[in-house]
Amino acid sequence: SQTIHQWPATLVQPVGSPLSLECTVEGTSNPNLYWYRQAAGRGLQLLFYSIGIDQISSEVPQNLSASRPQDRQFILSSKKLLLSDSGFYLCAWSVRRGKSNQPQHFGDGTRLSIL
Amino acid sequence: DQQVKQNSPSLSVQEGRISILNCDYTNSMFDYFLWYKKYPAEGPTFLISISSIKDKNEDGRFTVFLNKSAKHLSLHIVPSQPGDSAVYFCAASISRGGSEKLVFGKGTKLTVNP
Repeated sequence: SQTIHQWPATLVQPVGSPLSLECTVEGTSNPNLYWYRQAAGRGLQLLFYSIGIDQISSEVPQNLSASRPQDRQFILSSKKLLLSDSGFYLCAWSVRRGKSNQPQHFGDGTRLSIL
Repeated sequence: DQQVKQNSPSLSVQEGRISILNCDYTNSMFDYFLWYKKYPAEGPTFLISISSIKDKNEDGRFTVFLNKSAKHLSLHIVPSQPGDSAVYFCAASISRGGSEKLVFGKGTKLTVNP
């Protein structure tokens, strides 16, 4: 069966520090991968998605970036964190099968607090 | 502009009764709709979905209804159980290029009382 791992579960970082959140998927190949953020009192917002290695699309302008160095690895990064980067970050995957609709499956998230 | 709206932030239901969670959307291009359930400190778990070519999809105690003309969908849980207490998110997507990006509502917190 497929599993998705996200770490760390919680993270407290000072303003201006760098960030690296990692997500890996097991049990499937060539998945679509996604990074979402849920800010306090808001719904989940898509940040990045990827349909293949080194193929990243950004949905909103921000000081975050994403990379996909391997098929089942997705990394969210920042060079200098802002207070507004606080939130709950979720990685998700879905099967890529042409035009058929497939649900996305989420990891357990990282709670990021910026001080 | 919020394209997917869940206007009820919370809902309280008695165990054994029906829970009805509602969701409205504004973008007529959405063609795939999903419901997710989320417990505290966990990621959302996929519950049930429906394609725009259907108006109903059922899976055990969970049924999703889609009214395209009203741009409205609902999730029915029958009978409701205390373990169903969680935050429920509605999501929608436009199928293109296989990426299936989801747009989420803000969620409705369901409490099922024993």
